[in-house]
Amino acid sequence: NAGVTQTPKFRVLKTGQSMTLLCAQDMNHEYMYWYRQDPGMGLRLIHYSVGEGTTAKGEVPDGYNVSRLKKQNFLLGLESAAPSQTSVYFCASSRIYEQYFGPGTRLTVT
Amino acid sequence: AQSVTQLGSHVSVSEGALVLLRCNYSSSVPPYLFWYVQYPNQGLQLLLKYTSAATLVKGINGFEAEFKKSETSFHLTKPSAHMSDAAEYFCAVSDTTNAGKSTFGDGTTLTVKP
Repeated sequence: NAGVTQTPKFRVLKTGQSMTLLCAQDMNHEYMYWYRQDPGMGLRLIHYSVGEGTTAKGEVPDGYNVSRLKKQNFLLGLESAAPSQTSVYFCASSRIYEQYFGPGTRLTVT
Repeated sequence: AQSVTQLGSHVSVSEGALVLLRCNYSSSVPPYLFWYVQYPNQGLQLLLKYTSAATLVKGINGFEAEFKKSETSFHLTKPSAHMSDAAEYFCAVSDTTNAGKSTFGDGTTLTVKP
């Protein structure tokens, strides 16, 4: 099992550009999450999904959109990137409570 | 509502010394509690979990944690630190009312000195 994978691992964007981060899990988990991690601020939940076709806002959803068209995939989109979105993004999935994390995507917006 | 407070953003111990990382939680319903570890440039991985069974929970790499309801605490310990334990540690709380969501603490960075 690959667990949770994230694509890409690194990305540099210019302000105003758009991109999509892909998260895939092969554990048949219902729940999936997107977090951002910034120095001194721990993990902050951006959006999450409780099943295929569902999405919900987390703690810091502004500037991001998500889609879960297939159970195994959870996409995070940035429509117009801003320097404040420079961060490390983690995807996670869970069956119920304990979460399994991907390796992260390091995004820099210049 | 639920919350987690990790006391001490940085903890430094000598190799072979006791490791104690502190976590206090707040939850309006019986909680599920977790400790995760994050090594540099990696994602978080589960160390151990408390899900209302035994109050003393053993995890991977010799770590354990004790759930103390009266103190609303779930401190992480390891009798003897190893250099490979240097990492960032996160405490998290979840419960049955929250659709599987967890609230994470801000993390504690553990440094192990030779």
